[in-house]
Amino acid sequence: AQTVTQSQPEMSVQEAETVTLSCTYDTSENNYYLFWYKQPPSRQMILVIRQEAYKQQNATENRFSVNFQKAAKSFSLKISDSQLGDTAMYFCAFMSYHWGGNEKLTFGTGTRLTIIP
Amino acid sequence: DADVTQTPRNRITKTGKRIMLECSQTKGHDRMYWYRQDPGLGLRLIYYSFDVKDINKGEISDGYSVSRQAQAKFSLSLESAIPNQTALYFCATSTWGQGLSTDTQYFGPGTRLTVL
Repeated sequence: AQTVTQSQPEMSVQEAETVTLSCTYDTSENNYYLFWYKQPPSRQMILVIRQEAYKQQNATENRFSVNFQKAAKSFSLKISDSQLGDTAMYFCAFMSYHWGGNEKLTFGTGTRLTIIP
Repeated sequence: DADVTQTPRNRITKTGKRIMLECSQTKGHDRMYWYRQDPGLGLRLIYYSFDVKDINKGEISDGYSVSRQAQAKFSLSLESAIPNQTALYFCATSTWGQGLSTDTQYFGPGTRLTVL
């Protein structure tokens, strides 16, 4: 079974600064995706970024980027130029996949990020 | 309009009552999921369905049942609600195949259920 660990329950940073959220996972699978989801106070789960394990290049989406270290099973999220709207709970998630198989998401317990004005 | 909708958005009920939570999607996805979110535990999978004729239990299916009425509709039932089923419930959808968005799960807005 896969496990996802987020060791930082809460973080805070000043607006416009850069912050990095940590995530580690444990799996014996070779084919998988990693995701970061954001849950603002509205409680909607919003996809932030996705990384395919077979890709060496780190995924980026505007101010959001990841540092994917496959050998270390580490998947951190970096938020640059943080904004007040980035205040949310952030969840790291793992999904293995097989040809026509049973793809299911396993979530970490989340990191609550607060951006301070 | 939202691609994944859930009804109701909030519900308060009493112990022993039967409750149904509904999920509809207009994304054309074949796969649908029900998750439960509790504080400090992240999201946990209750049931999932890869097509209309396929229903599978997740890690915490006890006390729940589901029905996939159509490709676009997936409902979750609590046959006899109990207080420890008080939680935030999410429906999600995904598709499999070619394309950048495949295998990514997209979530509905959630249903907050309180069982007294």
